[in-house]
Amino acid sequence: AQSVSQHNHHVILSEAASLELGCNYSYGGTVNLFWYVQYPGQHLQLLLKYFSGDPLVKGIKGFEAEFIKSKFSFNLRKPSVQWSDTAEYFCAVNANTGGFKTIFGAGTRLFVKA
Amino acid sequence: DAGITQSPRHKVTETGTPVTLRCHQTENHRYMYWYRQDPGHGLRLIHYSYGVKDTDKGEVSDGYSVSRSKTEDFLLTLESATSSQTSVYFCAISESARDSNQPQHFGDGTRLSIL
Repeated sequence: AQSVSQHNHHVILSEAASLELGCNYSYGGTVNLFWYVQYPGQHLQLLLKYFSGDPLVKGIKGFEAEFIKSKFSFNLRKPSVQWSDTAEYFCAVNANTGGFKTIFGAGTRLFVKA
Repeated sequence: DAGITQSPRHKVTETGTPVTLRCHQTENHRYMYWYRQDPGHGLRLIHYSYGVKDTDKGEVSDGYSVSRSKTEDFLLTLESATSSQTSVYFCAISESARDSNQPQHFGDGTRLSIL
């Protein structure tokens, strides 16, 4: 069965610090990968996605993620965080088998100190 | 934002009562999903639908049923609510799941408390 592991449950950073959130998945075949963000009191929104091509994917608000197939990883990065990046971040995996189910990680809560 | 409306947004009820949550979409997307969000568990899929009257179970379907009589509406029912079903419930939609690179779009959630 597919699973998604996010290594950090809580991260606290100061503004302008660099961010890297880890995500590993267990499925061995072709996958589609997503990062979603949930700002306080809001619904989940798509940050970026990878399904083929360049393994370095750029998303909204200066976020990027790198797919490393050999490590089954899809880590999220941002060079310089802002207070407004305070949110919960979810990694998600959908295997490209025509299945309907997307598996979400447990989430990482990021708090950015002003 | 995608046109997804969840109702009610908040509900408090007692153990043993039936509860129905509604998800309404204006995007004409074929696929609809119900998730629950709990601390430390992320989002877990309860049920999903791939068309009118076509539904299937997710990973945490026990105690829940769903119905989809129209493309735009997907109902989640707790037949006899239990305290373990206290959670935040999110509805999501997607254009396609066969092309599984399509992201899901989420509603604003329903906060359900069962006392």
